[in-house]
Amino acid sequence: DARVTQTPRHKVTEMGQEVTMRCQPILGHNTVFWYRQTMMQGLELLAYFRNRAPLDDSGMPKDRFSAEMPDATLATLKIQPSEPRDSAVYFCASGFDSNSGANVLTFGAGSRLTVL
Amino acid sequence: DAKTTQPTSMDCAEGRAANLPCNHSTISGNEYVYWYRQIHSQGPQYIIHGLKNNETNEMASLIITEDRKSSTLILPHATLRDTAVYYCIVIISGSRLTFGEGTQLTVNP
Repeated sequence: DARVTQTPRHKVTEMGQEVTMRCQPILGHNTVFWYRQTMMQGLELLAYFRNRAPLDDSGMPKDRFSAEMPDATLATLKIQPSEPRDSAVYFCASGFDSNSGANVLTFGAGSRLTVL
Repeated sequence: DAKTTQPTSMDCAEGRAANLPCNHSTISGNEYVYWYRQIHSQGPQYIIHGLKNNETNEMASLIITEDRKSSTLILPHATLRDTAVYYCIVIISGSRLTFGEGTQLTVNP
């Protein structure tokens, strides 16, 4: 089965350090989503891309977070500088949106981030 | 996106059918009903979706009422591995997928 690959699976870092999470979407998919999950907030949408263009990043703290798609096979989520409140599981998902039908997403296994 | 209402939690006996309800009374004509689930510590998993007609796949059945204001996800023979949080989401094609609280389904032996 095709899958969305996320790296790293686990990351422990100290406050103030830069963190980069990577996502390899499923080949042929044209949408990529980044979500964050904590016990308190549940699943929050941070950003999403269509055909590599950012469509919505309103859920992302702009001062420290950035999301990019350098090419169709790679999406990145960067936090600089990281803070303890950024500790969460970050999920990437990809899907194919044809504008005429449903957009079913496949999620990665997540990157668990702990900021000390 | 139409607002959805789901029970906070449900229990089901192993081997029995699990019927998970979802109310979406403000749904519009071009909005789809999606169901996803999240097993503890894993990424959400797509289950099924529909627009107007009932749908069935290898995982579940989706029953949408004629007025489309509510739907039911049916897991015909629940197993312990079906214990998860189930999310009902209503959106138009191409829109972003946002998750609410969902229903915690616990399948008991």
